[in-house]
Amino acid sequence: EVQLVQSGAEVKKPGESLNISCKASGYFFTSYWIGWVRQMPGKGLEWMGIIYPGDSDTRYSPSFQGQVTMSADKSLSTAYLQWSSLKASDTAIYYCATPDVPATVGPLLHWGQGTQVTVSS
Amino acid sequence: DIQMTQSPSSLSASVGDRVTITCRASQSITYYLNWYQQRPGKAPNLLIYAASSLQRGVPSRFSGSGSGTDFTLTISSLQPEDFATYYCQQMYSSPHTFGGGTKVEIK
Repeated sequence: EVQLVQSGAEVKKPGESLNISCKASGYFFTSYWIGWVRQMPGKGLEWMGIIYPGDSDTRYSPSFQGQVTMSADKSLSTAYLQWSSLKASDTAIYYCATPDVPATVGPLLHWGQGTQVTVSS
Repeated sequence: DIQMTQSPSSLSASVGDRVTITCRASQSITYYLNWYQQRPGKAPNLLIYAASSLQRGVPSRFSGSGSGTDFTLTISSLQPEDFATYYCQQMYSSPHTFGGGTKVEIK
């Protein structure tokens, strides 16, 4: 069974750094793209970008390019989303998700449970 | 970026009603259109991919149609568990933008 288990809720101050994780199991981690999706409070879904753990090929939405860094650790079957300097506007739920077709940027079938990030002074 | 516009943004309907949600792309996306359902406090759930293909395990009362720039999601007979927010997403070109969502509420 494919599972994506995300790290727990975070409360941070503006300017702090943060790294949230998405641990995959039940499939070949290196063979499937993993996407990240943001949902700000009371708002819709925003596609942030995707990463292919096999070679770390990464595609960012222009809206998020330079704002976050996506990475993956093949040895841990874990994808990461990182901020070097958080802003209050980063407050949101962040989801990781993956398609069910290998090596294909396909529809997002399997989702993590989401990580709530709160940035407040 | 390709802009995805959903309408309506919300609707009220009763159990058993037929519901149609529309999604329009700012340029042709051929059939690279997915539909997701999101219940409150939960992660999204893939319903339809490639405009009209029903994801395995999704009830047959859900259907999708369209190509090019105009797409629809239809729920043939609304059930209590269908009250949720629905999103379209294009995968024709990166970034894979979502529509703004349609909230389906109980009348």
